[in-house]
Amino acid sequence: AQRVTQPEKLLSVFKGAPVELKCNYSYSGSPELFWYVQYSRQRLQLLLRHISRESIKGFTADLNKGETSFHLKKPFAQEEDSAMYYCALTFSGGYNKLIFGAGTRLAVHP
Amino acid sequence: GAVVSQHPSWVICKSGTSVKIECRSLDFQATTMFWYRQFPKQSLMLMATSNEGSKATYEQGVEKDKFLINHASLTLSTLTVTSAHPEDSSFYICSAYGTSGLTYEQYFGPGTRLTVT
Repeated sequence: AQRVTQPEKLLSVFKGAPVELKCNYSYSGSPELFWYVQYSRQRLQLLLRHISRESIKGFTADLNKGETSFHLKKPFAQEEDSAMYYCALTFSGGYNKLIFGAGTRLAVHP
Repeated sequence: GAVVSQHPSWVICKSGTSVKIECRSLDFQATTMFWYRQFPKQSLMLMATSNEGSKATYEQGVEKDKFLINHASLTLSTLTVTSAHPEDSSFYICSAYGTSGLTYEQYFGPGTRLTVT
């Protein structure tokens, strides 16, 4: 079965510090990986997807098939990055349904 | 573009009654919509996949007779919680699969908070 694991419930850093939110997945095929963000009192929104290979709001994520990981990184955290981050995947034959990880709360302190 | 709305945003109902939640894609057509449930401080749990004009596909453990889903048009899906009980109290989120013109993705609604008393 497909599974997404985010080992950290909370990641607390100071402004300007590097950030890495971990995500590992289990799926025997080739998944499509996503990072979603949910700011306080706002709806879930797509941050980035691995096939786009782009940087959004300074965040990047690289799919490592060998380690089955899709960690989210940002070199210098900002206070406005404080939010809930969810890693998710879709898979072949899954009809575009998303499998979410448990989420990691990022708290960036001044 | 690609906005999804939900109505109501919150609802309180008595135990034993039924509640209907609407999910609309406002500026795009969505052949597929998804319904999720989110408990406090927890992740989203997929409940069912709703396809326009056909029966919904429910995830394992989700009671289809309790959570009735109808996807009558390309812009509207409804979730009806029948004979609601306090344990059904939760945050229900829908998403619609579509495009704003660039890529296809799931666009999420703001959620509906259901409290059953």
